[in-house]
Amino acid sequence: SAVISQKPSRDICQRGTSLTIQCQVDSQVTMMFWYRQQPGQSLTLIATANQGSEATYESGFVIDKFPISRPNLTFSTLTVSNMSPEDSSIYLCSVGGVYEQYFGPGTRLTVT
Amino acid sequence: QKEVEQDPGPLSVPEGAIVSLNCTYSNSAFQYFMWYRQYSRKGPELLMYTYSSGNKEDGRFTAQVDKSSKYISLFIRDSQPSDSATYLCAMSANNFNKFYFGSGTKLNVKP
Repeated sequence: SAVISQKPSRDICQRGTSLTIQCQVDSQVTMMFWYRQQPGQSLTLIATANQGSEATYESGFVIDKFPISRPNLTFSTLTVSNMSPEDSSIYLCSVGGVYEQYFGPGTRLTVT
Repeated sequence: QKEVEQDPGPLSVPEGAIVSLNCTYSNSAFQYFMWYRQYSRKGPELLMYTYSSGNKEDGRFTAQVDKSSKYISLFIRDSQPSDSATYLCAMSANNFNKFYFGSGTKLNVKP
């Protein structure tokens, strides 16, 4: 199994600012995934982060808005840039695949 | 049309009831079907996965897939108050990196 921690657990930010979310895994993993979960909505994949290469973004998400770093096999960051109230959501990182997937506890972001 | 549709509930049942949670999907390429449980203010945790059609049982939980109808179900027998959570279905084609999630069904099991 994998244990995932995220920082911060929650934050309230002003529009136009940026927030960096950290994700730490207790074991080395090749791929890490970043999701967004809006109230009443399904989890939506933002991007896949491989160590040593550029993140792969899903349709509707761009690197300028959601830059991702993956400096080593246990850590990743997601930055939400130039925030607007529409970015208010829960952001989750995860590792694993179909047979064994683990999620972090999430970062609850409110943009005012 | 959404890739995956899931009734948001909420679903409220008495303790000991049999619970049926369902999802429909539109993409016939989906081969892997997962169910997650998410407690309040926690990340989702994988409950069960199945490949292609058929049933899979794990304790009080049974996952069922009907690919011909593009319909999947999760049954919970002898439901307990500790089962109160949001249940999300998810699906994937052969590409394990892309999961499509339902919006989740909130379940409340009353003691």
